[in-house]
Amino acid sequence: DSGVTQTPKHLITATGQRVTLRCSPRSGDLSVYWYQQSLDQGLQFLIQYYNGEERAKGNILERFSAQQFPDLHSELNLSSLELGDSALYFCASSKTPGTGGEKLFFGSGTQLSVL
Amino acid sequence: GNSVTQMEGPVTLSEEAFLTINCTYTATGYPSLFWYVQYPGEGLQLLLKATKADDKGSNKGFEATYRKETTSFHLEKGSVQVSDSAVYFCALRANTGNQFYFGTGTSLTVIP
Repeated sequence: DSGVTQTPKHLITATGQRVTLRCSPRSGDLSVYWYQQSLDQGLQFLIQYYNGEERAKGNILERFSAQQFPDLHSELNLSSLELGDSALYFCASSKTPGTGGEKLFFGSGTQLSVL
Repeated sequence: GNSVTQMEGPVTLSEEAFLTINCTYTATGYPSLFWYVQYPGEGLQLLLKATKADDKGSNKGFEATYRKETTSFHLEKGSVQVSDSAVYFCALRANTGNQFYFGTGTSLTVIP
């Protein structure tokens, strides 16, 4: 158990809908990362927050947004969903934002299926 | 820019065979290098890491050496087991900025 909790584990929805994925980082970790894993694109970095502020942005679509709350949990909002958004979404956490050798702790992911 | 390229899978080996999964990287500065493993139905977990040139990371019989001259971090194991069946990801973290860059993953299946 990595200590990172993601909910829900599975989500099935229809095109055009909006969903929210939730992540609770490990106790004491201030940084949260979101990744999208699909069969054809591998693991794609979406966005990172550190202590409530956006720290780095990757290949995140404008239809997607995220935030990190004062209690350090994070939510990833996906709107106007398309079939191609079906993927496994991972959250990861770390203590600090910038230590080179620091590792990430991953949650078990949310499997999103857009029908 | 920063990127990681790893050999495509899937890789299928017999138990006790020797494993090599190639990984090369492109980075500005001096990155830290990682191998993560993803077992079926689970999230990624750190397998090993190396933070500077010539460092060797090792764990559970797996090892990888940070080779700056060839910009490589190949994963090796002398004798694989069925329980090693998983997807392996090579990753780097640049020493500037906060992003981890992952390879596309290599699926390994070990058959008895």
